[in-house]
Amino acid sequence: SQTIHQWPATLVQPVGSPLSLECTVEGTSNPNLYWYRQAAGRGLQLLFYSVGIGQISSEVPQNLSASRPQDRQFILSSKKLLLSDSGFYLCAWSVLGPGNIQYFGAGTRLSVL
Amino acid sequence: QQQVKQSPQSLIVQKGGISIINCAYENTAFDYFPWYQQFPGKGPALLIAIRPDVSEKKEGRFTISFNKSAKQFSLHIMDSQPGDSATYFCAAKGAGSYQLTFGKGTKLSVIP
Repeated sequence: SQTIHQWPATLVQPVGSPLSLECTVEGTSNPNLYWYRQAAGRGLQLLFYSVGIGQISSEVPQNLSASRPQDRQFILSSKKLLLSDSGFYLCAWSVLGPGNIQYFGAGTRLSVL
Repeated sequence: QQQVKQSPQSLIVQKGGISIINCAYENTAFDYFPWYQQFPGKGPALLIAIRPDVSEKKEGRFTISFNKSAKQFSLHIMDSQPGDSATYFCAAKGAGSYQLTFGKGTKLSVIP
């Protein structure tokens, strides 16, 4: 069966520090991968998605970047965190098929202080 | 910009009652409508989904009703239980797209 791992679960970082969040998927090949941000009490904002190694599409201009160095690995990064980067970050995967159902990881709670 | 409008923002239902969450969309090119359930501190999990060529889909206590002409769909939770207390998101997928457009969520509280 397919599983998605996302870490760390919680992260507290000072303003101006770098960020690296990692997501890996097991049990499937060539998944579509997604990074979302969820602000408190808000919906899900798509940040990046990837349909293959090295292929990254950005949905909103921001202080973040994403990379996909391996088929089932998706990394969210920042060189210098801002206060506004605080939030709940979610990784998700899907495969081509009816509905392109997305499955989410457990999320990373990022607090930038 | 494609949008999915979800209401209400929050909902309090007594145990055993019916919870109803509504969503409306504008883009007629959407071809798949999933609902996700999210517990605090967890990622959303797919609950139930429907295609626009179906007017209703039922899975246990959860039912999606779909009105294509009105561009609206809703989630009904029958016999609501305290364990159903969570945030529910409706979503819509564009035809030929990888992306989901999410509603802003409904926080459901089921009280004993």
